[in-house]
Amino acid sequence: SQTIHQWPATLVQPVGSPLSLECTVEGTSNPNLYWYRQAAGRGLQLLFYSVGIGQISSEVPQNLSASRPQDRQFILSSKKLLLSDSGFYLCAWTRDHSYNEQFFGPGTRLTVL
Amino acid sequence: AQSVAQPEDQVNVAEGNPLTVKCTYSVSGNPYLFWYVQYPNRGLQFLLKYITGDNLVKGSYGFEAEFNKSQTSFHLKKPSALVSDSALYFCAVSSRDYGGSQGNLIFGKGTKLSVKP
Repeated sequence: SQTIHQWPATLVQPVGSPLSLECTVEGTSNPNLYWYRQAAGRGLQLLFYSVGIGQISSEVPQNLSASRPQDRQFILSSKKLLLSDSGFYLCAWTRDHSYNEQFFGPGTRLTVL
Repeated sequence: AQSVAQPEDQVNVAEGNPLTVKCTYSVSGNPYLFWYVQYPNRGLQFLLKYITGDNLVKGSYGFEAEFNKSQTSFHLKKPSALVSDSALYFCAVSSRDYGGSQGNLIFGKGTKLSVKP
């Protein structure tokens, strides 16, 4: 069966510090991968998606970046965090095609102080 | 433009009563529709989806949803609510024209369901 992992589970970082969040998927190959941010326990904002190694599409301009160094690894990064980067970050995967459901990881709660 | 609307921020239901969480959508082409549930500080869990065929879709935990093409709706229902159903519910939509091979979804803003004993 497929599983998706995210770490760390929680993170408290000062403004201006770097960020690295990791997401890995097990039990499948060549998944589509997604990073979302959820603010205040509500709507999801799609940040990045990837259909393959090294292929990253950005949905919104921001000071975050994403990378996919391996087939089942997706990393969210920032060189300098802003207060507005606080939120709940969710990684998800799906088999390609729009009729397939996405499967979500447990999330990372990021607080920028 | 593609969009999903969940008109209710919160739905309150007494345990044992039926519940409905509303969702309407706008998308080019035939829609693929999904419902997810999120418990506090957790990721989203897939409940059910409509791709084609029977308009009534049954999913996990006794939930079902009815696709209504003329009203562009996909409301989530359960005949008898449980206190443990209290959570945040998200509707999402995709289509061959939007999402394509990327599998991108458009999510609603979420509806908080509160079931009281």
